[in-house]
Amino acid sequence: EPEVTQTPSHQVTQMGQEVILRCVPISNHLYFYWYRQILGQKVEFLVSFYNNEISEKSEIFDDQFSVERPDGSNFTLKIRSTKLEDSAMYFCASSEQGLQETQYFGPGTRLLVL
Amino acid sequence: AQKITQTQPGMFVQEKEAVTLDCTYDTSDPSYGLFWYKQPSSGEMIFLIYQGSYDQQNATEGRYSLNFQKARKSANLVISASQLGDSAMYFCAMREAYNNNDMRFGAGTRLTVKP
Repeated sequence: EPEVTQTPSHQVTQMGQEVILRCVPISNHLYFYWYRQILGQKVEFLVSFYNNEISEKSEIFDDQFSVERPDGSNFTLKIRSTKLEDSAMYFCASSEQGLQETQYFGPGTRLLVL
Repeated sequence: AQKITQTQPGMFVQEKEAVTLDCTYDTSDPSYGLFWYKQPSSGEMIFLIYQGSYDQQNATEGRYSLNFQKARKSANLVISASQLGDSAMYFCAMREAYNNNDMRFGAGTRLTVKP
């Protein structure tokens, strides 16, 4: 069964460093998403991406964040200068269509900023 | 404004019994989708069940069913015949048609199944 994959599973970085989180969405899906879950808290929407551009973003997704689909399979989230409060689990998700289609989540990348 | 409310931070259920996890939502959009996800201790988010606002029947997927009461704006998850492997966090989520990319999650309910 096709699934969303994410790498790395864990990343530790120093404050101020750049990190790139990678995702491979399900191959026939057209919509891609990033979510964040701070430890013990609920999942928060960051950004959605369709047709090679951002379609929606939350207030969390400030200028430190960017997303890219560098090729036909990968979808990346870049944090330019990490802060301590960026420590969280980051989930990538994809859906075949937008609207009310089910989003399938990857296993997540746990980011720890020291 | 809080769109999704899960009022039970934690629930316990005896193995093989049924359990209901509550979820209420707030929207003025007539077209929306409701989702439940399971998050085991390993951290991944597993899709369980979906209910569309125009669906006439309550959604069912194996041991999971969704008790959809549109007028009350509730979408409770019912797990029948609980198993030890059902112990996890459960999140209710909603997507609205006018805001179709932004899925909002509730705070979650931690379910513990007792042997």
